[in-house]
Amino acid sequence: GAVVSQHPSRVICKSGTSVKIECRSLDFQATTMFWYRQFPKKSLMLMATSNEGSKATYEQGVEKDKFLINHASLTLSTLTVTSAHPEDSSFYICSAIIKGGQPQHFGDGTRLSIL
Amino acid sequence: RKEVEQDPGPFNVPEGATVAFNCTYSNSASQSFFWYRQDCRKEPKLLMSVYSSGNEDGRFTAQLNRASQYISLLIRDSKLSDSATYLCVVNGDGNQFYFGTGTSLTVIP
Repeated sequence: GAVVSQHPSRVICKSGTSVKIECRSLDFQATTMFWYRQFPKKSLMLMATSNEGSKATYEQGVEKDKFLINHASLTLSTLTVTSAHPEDSSFYICSAIIKGGQPQHFGDGTRLSIL
Repeated sequence: RKEVEQDPGPFNVPEGATVAFNCTYSNSASQSFFWYRQDCRKEPKLLMSVYSSGNEDGRFTAQLNRASQYISLLIRDSKLSDSATYLCVVNGDGNQFYFGTGTSLTVIP
């Protein structure tokens, strides 16, 4: 149980393109979803916390207009990297929790490469 | 001070060895603690939750010391397949989670 699906797993696109990443909780309703970014050999960096039906809470230094998060339902959150540039290339991972205090369950990540 | 401090290692141990990782946390009100395993270029996977009474799952033992504010993970009889990065995660207020930087483990034949 507690499966989180993330799609797509790999994206390669040109600079200036906007990329949407989907995160779905397949067998549970997620009260909260998280979006992380990870650079090679580095720890996860929290970008934003997303609650269903409300605006995402962004971490300091993360541009809201650059990284658009929509959490339309209890099973789906999307991250859109707008007008992506090479410096946005990274591994993006979402996670979801069933309720507070429970462990996070991670999607299998999206490797984004901007040329 | 960081919310969670973790020795990044790397730890290089021979097969069959016992290895322990510690992780300290700063928020004494933290209630939930977890160990995750992350393989290279993969997402973190939950290894085990850490309970006040300590818990064991096969070769893995997790312990919580609230007085000293640290959690530990002990791996006995290390296997080559245990090579990975181990992340400690502490739940702060509400739905805040704080990650350690991860400890790299390599088990050598």
